[in-house]
Amino acid sequence: GQQVMQIPQYQHVQEGEDFTTYCNSSTTLSNIQWYKQRPGGHPVFLIQLVKSGEVKKQKRLTFQFGEAKKNSSLHITATQTTDVGTYFCAGHRTGNQFYFGTGTSLTVIP
Amino acid sequence: KAGVTQTPRYLIKTRGQQVTLSCSPISGHRSVSWYQQTPGQGLQFLFEYFSETQRNKGNFPGRFSGRQFSNSRSEMNVSTLELGDSALYLCASSSRLAGGQRDEQFFGPGTRLTVL
Repeated sequence: GQQVMQIPQYQHVQEGEDFTTYCNSSTTLSNIQWYKQRPGGHPVFLIQLVKSGEVKKQKRLTFQFGEAKKNSSLHITATQTTDVGTYFCAGHRTGNQFYFGTGTSLTVIP
Repeated sequence: KAGVTQTPRYLIKTRGQQVTLSCSPISGHRSVSWYQQTPGQGLQFLFEYFSETQRNKGNFPGRFSGRQFSNSRSEMNVSTLELGDSALYLCASSSRLAGGQRDEQFFGPGTRLTVL
């Protein structure tokens, strides 16, 4: 069956350092979404990528979708304490459900 | 617009009992998905309903079932509870776009189920 793997599982960074999480699918995806879940909260949508090779930016966050539409990454520049949380990717193939990655838990040390 | 609501927020049950969780999607959303979240397994897809029909189903035993009503509200039921069913159960509503593309999912706050 389809799997979406996400690495790393945990990441501790000093405030101001960069952070990247990677998502890999065993099959080609129609689109991929990214979510952030704060401790004690629920996942909140960040962005959706649809096109092969697509790059989108939201302030300090940069999202990429691989050329083969099987991998994606989220990069945060100059992390802040407000970036703390778990970041999930969710891959989707047309007609199927979303497959969530296992998530990357980000800790930012002030 | 009001967000996705889930009731109850917390539930404590004992093994063997059954439980029903409720989810009210954002007004106008006809797609409701259910997920089980546990620390070790992340977000596991349970099922998705669209216009009262189950469209997709995850790899869970038949003890887990759901339904959707004509007003798009959804319920999920777990029968014969086991200790391993303790988890946060999240529902998410979304719109379905043309061409099979999917819109963002809006998650509810979840129901925290503890099985003793």
